[in-house]
Amino acid sequence: EAQVTQNPRYLITVTGKKLTVTCSQNMNHEYMSWYRQDPGLGLRQIYYSMNVEVTDKGDVPEGYKVSRKEKRNFPLILESPSPNQTSLYFCASRPQGQDYGYTFGSGTRLTVV
Amino acid sequence: DAKTTQPPSMDCAEGRAANLPCNHSTISGNEYVYWYRQIHSQGPQYIIHGLKNNETNEMASLIITEDRKSSTLILPHATLRDTAVYYCIVRLTGFQKLVFGTGTRLLVSP
Repeated sequence: EAQVTQNPRYLITVTGKKLTVTCSQNMNHEYMSWYRQDPGLGLRQIYYSMNVEVTDKGDVPEGYKVSRKEKRNFPLILESPSPNQTSLYFCASRPQGQDYGYTFGSGTRLTVV
Repeated sequence: DAKTTQPPSMDCAEGRAANLPCNHSTISGNEYVYWYRQIHSQGPQYIIHGLKNNETNEMASLIITEDRKSSTLILPHATLRDTAVYYCIVRLTGFQKLVFGTGTRLLVSP
């Protein structure tokens, strides 16, 4: 089944403890992206990648890092998480050619205490 | 990206057509209209998109006015599982970012 897989689905962590949220897609998509969703603020783009080793900042990149060493994987790294990064995170991907829309993962609900 | 305006909420009876409007009066000539939906806190789901012609797929129909300043997403026979927040997004095709507004919360009732 074609899908975007995020792990973990739920995570509670403490301030300052480095964590990684993984994202993997099995559709050979070139474009991948991370979003966070917060009440009243909607979905906002954190980082995106147009292909292997090509990444760029979205609207809210502060406090996050990403890497794209392989086409299928696009992990989101929080080096020193803070409570304001408590949010619902989504990874998405789509092919480079015809833009028929992004495929989103099921989400990761992160709580930083 | 052009700004869109959608009603905050709508109701629809199960089995009836749900018509969700979107205003995008500042859309430029090469910007497409995309529709996504988000069921509860699941990941958004792509529904349909179009430039100026009406479009139909297995999920929905998209009607775009001739002046392209507004559009309507039509779910022809709404089911309870269509209860979701529906987002209308206007953007250049191929552009990286999706700018999600507040959307329309559609409630389908028995």
